[in-house]
Formats: sequence, C-alpha cells, structure tokens
Amino acid sequence: DGGITQSPKYLFRKEGQNVTLSCEQNLNHDAMYWYRQDPGQGLRLIYYSQIVNDFQKGDIAEGYSVSREKKESFPLTVTSAQKNPTAFYLCASSSVAGVSSYNEQFFGPGTRLTVL
Amino acid sequence: SQQGEEDPQALSIQEGENATMNCSYKTSINNLQWYRQNSGRGLVHLILIRSNEREKHSGRLRVTLDTSKKSSSLLITASRAADTASYFCATDEEDSWGKLQFGAGTQVVVTP
Repeated sequence: DGGITQSPKYLFRKEGQNVTLSCEQNLNHDAMYWYRQDPGQGLRLIYYSQIVNDFQKGDIAEGYSVSREKKESFPLTVTSAQKNPTAFYLCASSSVAGVSSYNEQFFGPGTRLTVL
Repeated sequence: SQQGEEDPQALSIQEGENATMNCSYKTSINNLQWYRQNSGRGLVHLILIRSNEREKHSGRLRVTLDTSKKSSSLLITASRAADTASYFCATDEEDSWGKLQFGAGTQVVVTP
C-alpha cells in the first residue's frame, strides 16, 4: 500500500520546546516538501528537498529545521524560535517530470500542532 | 508568497448543479494543478494541466487554462454532497524545481 504517512496526527507542545514531526513515503519520490496551513488559508512552503542530503528554504523557513538523510524520510523540527507554531502541517512528495518540472504532489494526512 | 488567487472564496450549491471556480496567477508556469481538501485532511490531487494544454477532463471535472490571461477554471458537473470540500489551485512556476504556489482556496458546500 503505497503512500505518504505523517505522525503524530495531533501534537501538543509547551512554549520553549522543540518538537519533531515525522514524514515517510514509499513512493520512491525524489522530492519532498513541508507546508504550513493556517485556518482558512492556503499552503505556505516551509522547506523542500529535491534529493537526499540536500534541502532548501521555502517562503517561511524561520524557526524550522529539516533533514533528508534517507530518500523515504523528511522530518520537520519546529524549534522554540518559531513564534507562532500552532497550525496544520502537511508533508508532500513528488517525482520529476522533466527539467525543472515536477509531477503532481502526493500529500500526507497532516499533523495538527498546538502550543499550550 | 501566494501566486494563485481563487474566486469565489466560497460557493454554496445544491446537488446536481454545476460548480465553477477560477484561479488567476502572475508568472509563467510549467503547469497548473487543482487539489481538493476535505476538512482536517491532507490534499488530494485532482488534475494537472500543462502550459501547452488548453482544456482537460477527468470524470466530472473540466479544467481550462488561458496562459494569455494567466487564468484557469475548474468546473465540477452534476455536483454531489461528497464534493463538499475546499479546492485549491497551485502553480508550478518555470524554474521553480517543483515548488508549488497555492492560492487560498474556494470552499464549496453542496447541499442535498
């Protein structure tokens, strides 16, 4: 059963704590992405990775960190430096369609992070 | 920054009616994609239209793309209650290496 999984589904964090959100895919996709979604809004890109051991900042990377040690895994750490981390976090992956062009993205079910 | 802008923000229709939503964008693109999101869930890819295509169909979905006007439309025909969701357009800009720019979405409610 191929797909993309995220865990946990719900996460509660105290102020000042770092937390790590898991994202795993078995689609053999090269590219992986992390998005943040706030209520009633679209998705904003946090980080993305086109290949193992490489990643780039998206539009709102401050206060977040990632790693890409394995093709299947792209964990996101929300650090204490992120001032307003309460949001819905979505992970996605995609394959390459051509030079600088990728195919559609497949999304995980999301992690809802709440800061207490 | 968000490139795609959907219109309308919200749409309420009855089962059997058609639903049309529009998306405008600002830069040159490789392709434009439409996604659906049910409340509290991840996004599901609906359809991808490449910059050299003008119209595409998938089941009850019809997507058009006008690159001269930098706009796209999504038509859902004969809507069902199960079509209730938020719909997002996303643009794959040239030289963006797979990064998508999402709009704020259109919230569609289909009542029986």
